[in-house]
Amino acid sequence: EIVLTQSPGTLSLSPGERATLSCRASQSVSSRYLAWYQQKPGQAPRLLIYGASNRATGIPDRFGGSGSGTDFTLSINRLEPEDFAVYYCQQFGGSWWTFGQGTKVEIK
Amino acid sequence: QVQLVESGGGLVKPGGSLRLSCAASGFSFSVSSMNWIRQAPGKGLEWVSSMSSSGATIYYADSVKGRFTISRDNAKNSLYLQINSLRAEDTAVYYCATDSGSDFDYWGQGTLVTVSS
Repeated sequence: EIVLTQSPGTLSLSPGERATLSCRASQSVSSRYLAWYQQKPGQAPRLLIYGASNRATGIPDRFGGSGSGTDFTLSINRLEPEDFAVYYCQQFGGSWWTFGQGTKVEIK
Repeated sequence: QVQLVESGGGLVKPGGSLRLSCAASGFSFSVSSMNWIRQAPGKGLEWVSSMSSSGATIYYADSVKGRFTISRDNAKNSLYLQINSLRAEDTAVYYCATDSGSDFDYWGQGTLVTVSS
């Protein structure tokens, strides 16, 4: 089973700053099968990025995904107040799915 | 718009059972693969089970294999999860979600299952 490790655990930033979140896989992952989600307190997760770099419907273009193989990145340009949340990466292994443990982006 | 509404959660004693339901609307349920994903309090996300649109293909996480059973009724636009032999570590919010083949594009708001004596 592929393990996804996200870093950092917590990112403290101010509105307007850029956030860079990392997701590292224990084995190579097809970019086609790497996704990112945002979760706010008390809410269900929301799909942000699929296929490593494709924004889901309605996601602002300040969110961007990149990477390949074992290293993937979620970038958030010019943080808005509503972007402070927990972010998860996720991969599909053919007959199972795994998530990273999450990165919390908090207001500094 | 896509709506997924879970129900059936509650407080149950260790060893007990529950049946969770997910009512779907706003999309073609009968051609959509469906999933259950859970989140223990204050913890991350864990995929639990997946069922193809026809029900012919089913997958389970190792942590629930043999105790959980996923099913669906396409005529009722509903997904189910039968949970048996409940343990404290099954305490979580259980979400149903659609999948596009590799990622989860729509989620319900979840139903809380608490296992405690």
